[in-house]
Amino acid sequence: DTGVSQDPRHKITKRGQNVTFRCDPISEHNRLYWYRQTLGQGPEFLTYFQNEAQLEKSRLLSDRFSAERPKGSFSTLEIQRTEQGDSAMYLCASSIGGTGPGYTFGSGTRLTVV
Amino acid sequence: GIQVEQSPPDLILQEGANSTLRCNFSDSVNNLQWFHQNPWGQLINLFYIPSGTKQNGRLSATTVATERYSLLYISSSQTTDSGVYFCAVSGGSNYKLTFGKGTLLTVNP
Repeated sequence: DTGVSQDPRHKITKRGQNVTFRCDPISEHNRLYWYRQTLGQGPEFLTYFQNEAQLEKSRLLSDRFSAERPKGSFSTLEIQRTEQGDSAMYLCASSIGGTGPGYTFGSGTRLTVV
Repeated sequence: GIQVEQSPPDLILQEGANSTLRCNFSDSVNNLQWFHQNPWGQLINLFYIPSGTKQNGRLSATTVATERYSLLYISSSQTTDSGVYFCAVSGGSNYKLTFGKGTLLTVNP
């Protein structure tokens, strides 16, 4: 068990470009969550998957955002036509069902849109 | 949705001092967790404590669910305790977390 892995750790992109982030959860965890954190704030929920099914999306997740979890394993979060307001830390977490003790976060991907 | 308020927003201590961080929430919850975010952004799960009291070394936490608050105690603080402490709660079956704004703790040598 190597924890939750996120790639890349940092991404700098020009406004208007598309970016994709990857999250590899703990292998036996069936739930996977994406959160976004801006400077000085706590993380905010974006979306979550149970196995391969995306069960809930926050209204923060505009049409430019899409997330997938093919085969219930790793997940990707894509942002199309990035805007400066998308600059943030994107955090992934996984858990077994909804059990609190198993809620583990990755180190995050820091996105800077210039 | 559930509102989460943390206090104080900032706290500066000398090494060896004790501290108490508070988390108030606006509705009943089935999940409450305390996290420590280190300077590199990693969120470390400290406690899962929707009710009751738990202790782990120099840290302990108490949640009084009926009064909708939780406390995190740090004793004999060390410089490595510095960082942001978040309280996060959920009240639904999906266990998505709502975070407070955090308490920024600075422990000086």
